Amino acid sequence: RKEVEQDPGPFNVPEGATVAFNCTYSNSASQSFFWYRQDCRKEPKLLMSVYSSGNEDGRFTAQLNRASQYISLLIRDSKLSDSATYLCVVHNFNKFYFGSGTKLNVKP
Amino acid sequence: DTGVSQNPRHKITKRGQNVTFRCDPISEHNRLYWYRQTLGQGPEFLTYFQNEAQLEKSRLLSDRFSAERPKGSFSTLEIQRTEQGDSAMYLCASSENRGVNTEAFFGQGTRLTVV
Repeated sequence: RKEVEQDPGPFNVPEGATVAFNCTYSNSASQSFFWYRQDCRKEPKLLMSVYSSGNEDGRFTAQLNRASQYISLLIRDSKLSDSATYLCVVHNFNKFYFGSGTKLNVKP
Repeated sequence: DTGVSQNPRHKITKRGQNVTFRCDPISEHNRLYWYRQTLGQGPEFLTYFQNEAQLEKSRLLSDRFSAERPKGSFSTLEIQRTEQGDSAMYLCASSENRGVNTEAFFGQGTRLTVV
C-alpha cells in the first residue's frame, strides 16, 4: 500500500468555483503534513503546512483528520492561476512521502 | 538567489554512459534529499543526508547510483551505466532539522533523458 494516496483527477472547474482535494496516508505515526503545488515541468513548491487544528491562508484551507488519516485542501474562488498539480506530502521518520498529485484545471 | 540550486538543468546521455548531477542546498539547511519523479507520479525518495552522513537509501537506489555530500554542503548524485529507465526528473531538496512541521524546499531539478 502506498504511503500517501490521492485522486489524480483532473478536476475541471470554472473560475470562482470552490474545489476540495483529499488524500489519505497509511502510517498513523506520521508527524507532519503539507500541501505542495507543482506546475508543469517545474519543481514542487510549498503551498502550506497542515496543522492539527486546521489552518487557512487566504483562499486556501487545509484540514487534518488524524483519526481517519486524511488531509484535505479547500480552494475557494478558484483563479486561472490555480491550475496546477497539488501534491499531498507526509513527513515521517525523516523522509517526505508524496502522493501522485491531483491535477486541477480552472477554466474561464 | 538563496534557494536550492541544481545543475545541469537538462542532461541527454547515451545508454551506458555515466552522469553526475550537483545540488547546492540552502546554506543553513543540514538535511539534503534526493528524489526522482517520472511523468504523472509524485516524487519518489532516493536518499537523504544529515550534514555529510548519508542516513538512508531507498531500495530504488540500485548499485549504479551513488550520492555524496563530502563536506556537508553540496551533494552529487552519480548514475553509472545509465539505462533508458533512468530517464526522469531528479529533484534535490533541503530542510532544517527542527522537528515537526519542517518543510522541504526543492531545487528546479535535473531532467535526465537516456537515449
